[in-house]
Amino acid sequence: SQTIHQWPATLVQPVGSPLSLECTVEGTSNPNLYWYRQAAGRGLQLLFYSVGIGQISSEVPQNLSASRPQDRQFILSSKKLLLSDSGFYLCASPSRTEAFFGQGTRLTVV
Amino acid sequence: QQPVQSPQAVILREGEDAVINCSSSKALYSVHWYRQKHGEAPVFLMILLKGGEQKGHDKISASFNEKKQQSSLYLTASQLSYSGTYFCGTESETSYDKVIFGPGTSLSVIP
Repeated sequence: SQTIHQWPATLVQPVGSPLSLECTVEGTSNPNLYWYRQAAGRGLQLLFYSVGIGQISSEVPQNLSASRPQDRQFILSSKKLLLSDSGFYLCASPSRTEAFFGQGTRLTVV
Repeated sequence: QQPVQSPQAVILREGEDAVINCSSSKALYSVHWYRQKHGEAPVFLMILLKGGEQKGHDKISASFNEKKQQSSLYLTASQLSYSGTYFCGTESETSYDKVIFGPGTSLSVIP
């Protein structure tokens, strides 16, 4: 079965600093990959999804971007973080039979 | 469009039953159900595909009525370990492989 690795687990960054969160997948090839953000006490907001290398769809306008340089690698980035970027970021790979999540990165922008 | 979940929150005593509903304005291909404990990643419970199927998972089961674009999650004889936030995720017929999650239903089971 698939395993999704996500790091770091926690991150505290100052406003205006850059961000890079990495997600890698084991146990499958050509997965569909998603980035979600969850604000405290809220639901999961879909940020980006990718169906293949170099293919990124953005769901909400924001100062974040995503890239998929390799089949099993999905990166979430920002050039300048805002306070509102704080939250719990999850990489996921839902499929028709089962869905897999990484353990998440808790980002606090200060 | 985000699916709608109801209720927003529910408190149960151990052994009681609960139903969580999920509905969409779009024609659905599949519905996913997850449970999330505070500070942790969501845990997959089950996927229901178009065809009006019903699935079971121990004392947790779900149904999917594609005509009504609705799914319900049934928790019977609830246990303390059932506490958490339950999310449904929907995949529409016109947007394959894009799973949009509902806002969640907070479930608390008390002794």
